[in-house]
Amino acid sequence: QSVLTQPPSVSAAPGQKVTISCSGSSSNIGNNYVSWYQQVPGTVPKLLIYDNNKRPSGIPDRFSGSKSGTSATLGITGLQTGDEADYYCGTWDDSLSAWVFGGGTKLTVL
Amino acid sequence: EVKLVESGGGLAQPGGSLSLSCAASGFTLSSYEMSWVRQAPGKGLEWVSYISTSGSSIYYADSVKGRFTISRDDAKKSLYLQMNSLRAEDTAIYYCVRALRWSGLSFDYWGQGTLVTVSS
Repeated sequence: QSVLTQPPSVSAAPGQKVTISCSGSSSNIGNNYVSWYQQVPGTVPKLLIYDNNKRPSGIPDRFSGSKSGTSATLGITGLQTGDEADYYCGTWDDSLSAWVFGGGTKLTVL
Repeated sequence: EVKLVESGGGLAQPGGSLSLSCAASGFTLSSYEMSWVRQAPGKGLEWVSYISTSGSSIYYADSVKGRFTISRDDAKKSLYLQMNSLRAEDTAIYYCVRALRWSGLSFDYWGQGTLVTVSS
């Protein structure tokens, strides 16, 4: 059971928009910055979003992040088949003194 | 180019030990916080341990506390994970990860990983 809760799966058609939620508590998301990671099957995880809503160099602006209270959201617009992957949120948890990941969300582009 | 190359994975018996290493290149290791993250076969990401620059702050996941030890040698440009009292549930790919700290912490570069299998 992950400290951060993500939906197991989401799906949408090519060209559409999808959002992935990440729910936590005051000790983690509520008091710390959130990052998001993409893991295409068979590859290494890649940083998509850091500090809630910032994109590293090379990440297209189709990917966006937001945070409100104890929840965070990853948004992906203009879906492409190459976006099919597992997506993870993560943040520091002050109560656990540990980094925590969400359980991951599998994105299917139909 | 930032590169993180893990080594030391393999087969270990329950109760045994393994020592992982991570060779860092393309950046100044001493300036960065580092972590180990693992992924069991077919499962999600699980953070294992964190070490600050200079090694003054270290944290572990409850699942490995007291059994694993993280360390670093900046002169050798290397990060380490000593794993003792191994259990079947420690079977996973272990990733060496560079931590990026702007306002908060995130993990910006990941190694290719090394597979640890714990089985009799």
